[in-house]
Amino acid sequence: ETGVTQTPRHLVMGMTNKKSLKCEQHLGHNAMYWYKQSAKKPLELMFVYSLEERVENNSVPSRFSPECPNSSHLFLHLHTLQPEDSALYLCASSQGGRAGTDTQYFGPGTRLTVL
Amino acid sequence: DQQVKQNSPSLSVQEGRISILNCDYTNSMFDYFLWYKKYPAEGPTFLISISSIKDKNEDGRFTVFLNKSAKHLSLHIVPSQPGDSAVYFCAAKNSGNTPLVFGKGTRLSVIA
Repeated sequence: ETGVTQTPRHLVMGMTNKKSLKCEQHLGHNAMYWYKQSAKKPLELMFVYSLEERVENNSVPSRFSPECPNSSHLFLHLHTLQPEDSALYLCASSQGGRAGTDTQYFGPGTRLTVL
Repeated sequence: DQQVKQNSPSLSVQEGRISILNCDYTNSMFDYFLWYKKYPAEGPTFLISISSIKDKNEDGRFTVFLNKSAKHLSLHIVPSQPGDSAVYFCAAKNSGNTPLVFGKGTRLSVIA
């Protein structure tokens, strides 16, 4: 596998379920990101991890809980979600560091539907 | 308030002609700009970028122009091909380890 992979690609869950999204990057990058893409809205940054430490948390509700066990893996744990949380969840990775020209590479996304 | 704006939600262009996608930004601290392309059911794919020290960057059929005084950038695709049909996102960032800020995207349709 190369690039950034995400599983599952599609997920349907009830409001009381607990599920997790998984992201894996094979690019040797040091930074990983979770984004949410809702219809007719810009990509919304949710979380940033650099060298496995969370460096950004954009006021995301606590029902979303990220985990970064190592620089290649990123999880998003979901609990007690609302129907308005239905969206495409995208993972990205980048080299990280202080370089201004830090390009992010995205996975294919997980299409989440909350019933 | 949106810091990166793509005011045209969609654009249709004839095959072989030029496609011009526009993007405006409000934050004068942005100094690195990127274009991503997204097909349905796939994640965004990096296309081309430009640093604020340049006003033009070219890669094959794709050219990005940056007008810092107008806080405006554009992506030119010439000649346009049906496979270019996708949603194009403009993104911008400050120097250092700062996150990208994305526009809402423009859906390009290239008609054969």
